[in-house]
Amino acid sequence: EIVLTQSPGTLSLSPGERATLSCRASQSVSSSSLAWYQQKPGQTPRLLIYGASSRATGIPDRFSGSGSGTDFTLTISRLEPEDFAVYYCQQFGSSPLTFGGGTKVEIK
Amino acid sequence: EVQLAESGGGLVKPGESLRLSCVGSGFTFSHAWMSWVRQAPGKGLEWVGRIKSTTDGGTTDYAAPVKGRITISRDDSKNTLYLQMSSLKTEDTAVYYCSTGSRRSGTMSPPFDYWGQGTLVTVSS
Repeated sequence: EIVLTQSPGTLSLSPGERATLSCRASQSVSSSSLAWYQQKPGQTPRLLIYGASSRATGIPDRFSGSGSGTDFTLTISRLEPEDFAVYYCQQFGSSPLTFGGGTKVEIK
Repeated sequence: EVQLAESGGGLVKPGESLRLSCVGSGFTFSHAWMSWVRQAPGKGLEWVGRIKSTTDGGTTDYAAPVKGRITISRDDSKNTLYLQMSSLKTEDTAVYYCSTGSRRSGTMSPPFDYWGQGTLVTVSS
């Protein structure tokens, strides 16, 4: 099983700041099979990034993904008020599919 | 518009069984790989299992914590996905989501573009 470890657990930032979220895999993950999701309280998860760096439909370009192998990053270039949420990485190429534990981006 | 609607959740006692359903619309259900994902109260997302499209073999994969206690099936004639759970434990308490997505280049398995609203399963004596 591929274990995904996200860091930090919580990120305290102000609107307008840059957020950098990390996702580290216990073994190599195909970039094609790495995704990022956003979940706000009381809402269902929303796909942000797939293929490590491709934005899903309707996702603003302030969200970007990068990385390969075992290290992946989600960057939010300038935080908007609606971006404060929990973010999960996921690998969906190898069974069992797995999610990281999540990073909460909170308002400082 | 793609829609996924789960049903069947509720309060059950440890050791009991429960079947969840998920009806899909707005997409070709028979071609879709469908997954169940759960989220315990205040916790993160946990993949439960999936079923491939019938055209891709209709095979299933399950997460270790539920393997042997759950069965995922599908009825393409009804655009419905099922999750049969047995020997339920208190730690199975969660919101259960069904999800699916569009296949992208470079991978057979799709990311989860679409999610239902979820159905709450509470296992308690």
